[in-house]
Amino acid sequence: EDQVTQSPEALRLQEGESSSLNCSYTVSGLRGLFWYRQDPGKGPEFLFTLYSAGEEKEKERLKATLTKKESFLHITAPKPEDSATYLCAVQGFNQAGTALIFGKGTTLSVSS
Amino acid sequence: SQTIHQWPATLVQPVGSPLSLECTVEGTSNPNLYWYRQAAGRGLQLLFYSVGIGQISSEVPQNLSASRPQDRQFILSSKKLLLSDSGFYLCAWSAESSYNEQFFGPGTRLTVL
Repeated sequence: EDQVTQSPEALRLQEGESSSLNCSYTVSGLRGLFWYRQDPGKGPEFLFTLYSAGEEKEKERLKATLTKKESFLHITAPKPEDSATYLCAVQGFNQAGTALIFGKGTTLSVSS
Repeated sequence: SQTIHQWPATLVQPVGSPLSLECTVEGTSNPNLYWYRQAAGRGLQLLFYSVGIGQISSEVPQNLSASRPQDRQFILSSKKLLLSDSGFYLCAWSAESSYNEQFFGPGTRLTVL
């Protein structure tokens, strides 16, 4: 069964304190791994797609990396506006209807 | 650019009442459309997806149904709501023939009392 596990569930950082979020996945043939940001009461906002091990993508203070078993979202020198829940999802070749399998998310709080 | 709309934003309904949530997409043709539910403490769960008008697939057995009467319109319905139907409902789209990123709408918060 395809599944996604994110850790930690919650992370508190001081402004400027870099850290990483983890997404471990099990999937029968990875078509893609996706990172989203979700603010309270809003829909998820797409951040990155990673397709193969070794791939990296960056956007401002965020950098996503991928191995054959997990992905990391590195946050460099975070600011309070980076506070949100970060969701990881995978899509496998066996998933009907292009479905995404989501993890429960990591809630990041950055204080000034 | 593409935009996705959902309404209403919030809804409070009594148990046993009907439900209709609407989602529309602008700026694209023949999108794949999806309904997800996000319950407290759980990840997003796919409820329905559609690859074209009148084509609906259900991922989980439930009290809900979906319809796609037009290319860029997706409707989530129920004849009689249950308490367990409460949650945050999200509509999403992806490009035709794309097995890649999905883009989400703003969501509808449904509370069943």
